[in-house]
Amino acid sequence: QKEVEQNSGPLSVPEGAIASLNCTYSDRGSQSFFWYRQYSGKSPELIMSIYSNGDKEDGRFTAQLNKASQYVSLLIRDSQPSDSATYLCAVRRASGGYNKLIFGAGTRLAVHP
Amino acid sequence: DTAVSQTPKYLVTQMGNDKSIKCEQNLGHDTMYWYKQDSKKFLKIMFSYNNKELIINETVPNRFSPKSPDKAHLNLHINSLELGDSAVYFCASSQTGLAGNTGELFFGEGSRLTVL
Repeated sequence: QKEVEQNSGPLSVPEGAIASLNCTYSDRGSQSFFWYRQYSGKSPELIMSIYSNGDKEDGRFTAQLNKASQYVSLLIRDSQPSDSATYLCAVRRASGGYNKLIFGAGTRLAVHP
Repeated sequence: DTAVSQTPKYLVTQMGNDKSIKCEQNLGHDTMYWYKQDSKKFLKIMFSYNNKELIINETVPNRFSPKSPDKAHLNLHINSLELGDSAVYFCASSQTGLAGNTGELFFGEGSRLTVL
C-alpha cells in the first residue's frame, strides 16, 4: 500500500462545476496535509494546507480533513479551464528529527469550457 | 529573480554516461532537497540537506551522489546512467526542514533527464 493514494484521473468537469479531488494516507499518526498544483511541464506549487479535522476555505478552494478515516480532499468551486492541472496530495512525515513531504501520484483535472 | 534555479533544464545522454545537475536557491532557506518525478508523475524524495549536512537519504542507488557546498547550493551527480533514471529531477528548498506546521517546498523548474 502506498503511503499517499490518489485516483490518477483524469477527472473531467465542465466549467463552473465543483471539482472534488480525494486522497487517502496510510500513516495514522500524520498531522499535516498539503495540496500542490502542478501545471503540465511546470513545477509543483503549494495551494492549500490543513492540519485539523474539518474544512478550510481559501477563495474557490476548500480542503477537508478526516483523520479518523485518513482522508483528505480538495474542492474547487466554479472550476475554470485555468484550473486544469495535476493536483498532488502531500503528507508531512518525521524523518530523523527533520520532516519530509510524501506525495501521492496526483490527480489530473481537466476543466472543459 | 528566480528563487530556485536548476541547470541544465534538459539532458539527453547515453546509458553508462555520468551527468550532473546543479541547483541554487536565493531564498535564504537552510534545507534543500532532490525529488524525482517519473513518467507517471509520482514525485519521490531522494535526498535532503540542512546547512550542508545530509539529513534524509532515501533508498537510492549509490550511483546517485548529492553534494552541498553551502546551504544555497545542492548538486546531484549520477554515475553509470541507466534507462530507468529517465525522469524529471526537481530541486526544492524550505526553511527549517519543514519544522512546525510548514509544508511549503519551493521547487525549481526541473531537469528532464533522458537516457537512451
